Amino acid sequence: DSGVTQTPKHLITATGQRVTLRCSPRSGDLSVYWYQQSLDQGLQFLIQYYNGEERAKGNILERFSAQQFPDLHSELNLSSLELGDSALYFCASSGTGLTDTQYFGPGTRLTVL
Amino acid sequence: GQQLNQSPQSMFIQEGEDVSMNCTSSSIFNTWLWYKQDPGEGPVLLIALYKAGELTSNGRLTAQFGITRKDSFLNISASIPSDVGIYFCAGLPTGGKLIFGQGTELSVKP
Repeated sequence: DSGVTQTPKHLITATGQRVTLRCSPRSGDLSVYWYQQSLDQGLQFLIQYYNGEERAKGNILERFSAQQFPDLHSELNLSSLELGDSALYFCASSGTGLTDTQYFGPGTRLTVL
Repeated sequence: GQQLNQSPQSMFIQEGEDVSMNCTSSSIFNTWLWYKQDPGEGPVLLIALYKAGELTSNGRLTAQFGITRKDSFLNISASIPSDVGIYFCAGLPTGGKLIFGQGTELSVKP
């Protein structure tokens, strides 16, 4: 158990819908990272938050957004969903920033029908 | 952009055999991490390397941070069926974000 929790574990929805994925980092970790993993793309970095502020941005679509709350949990919002958004979405956390080792949560499997 | 080349893509071995996989980069990295991912689960950190030349073991696993800072390898000795999974390397360049290799899928035949 990495100490990072993610909910829900599975999510099935339809195209055009909007969903919210939630992540709670390890106790004491300030950074939260979001990744997308699809079968043909490997692990793709989406976005990082550090202590409530956006720190780094990767290959995140404009239809996707994230935020980190004062209690350091984070939410990833995915809107206008398309079939191609079906993937595993992982959250990871680390202590103080980019140089710290990242610990991954169990992931949310999103299926868009 | 920066890329990590991880090889091999897949391996099929007999239980008890040793395994070796590696990652190379065109850029210098400050940190190398090795993760293992079981199907439907999140990647689990196996070994973290922070200095060039560093050699670190975790049970039957050994990883090294290459002297050039552009490569790393992971060895698994005396493989067992529960070693099955996908192994990812990840590198952290100066001032950049963590980059993952494409993974090595390991299959172990009892």
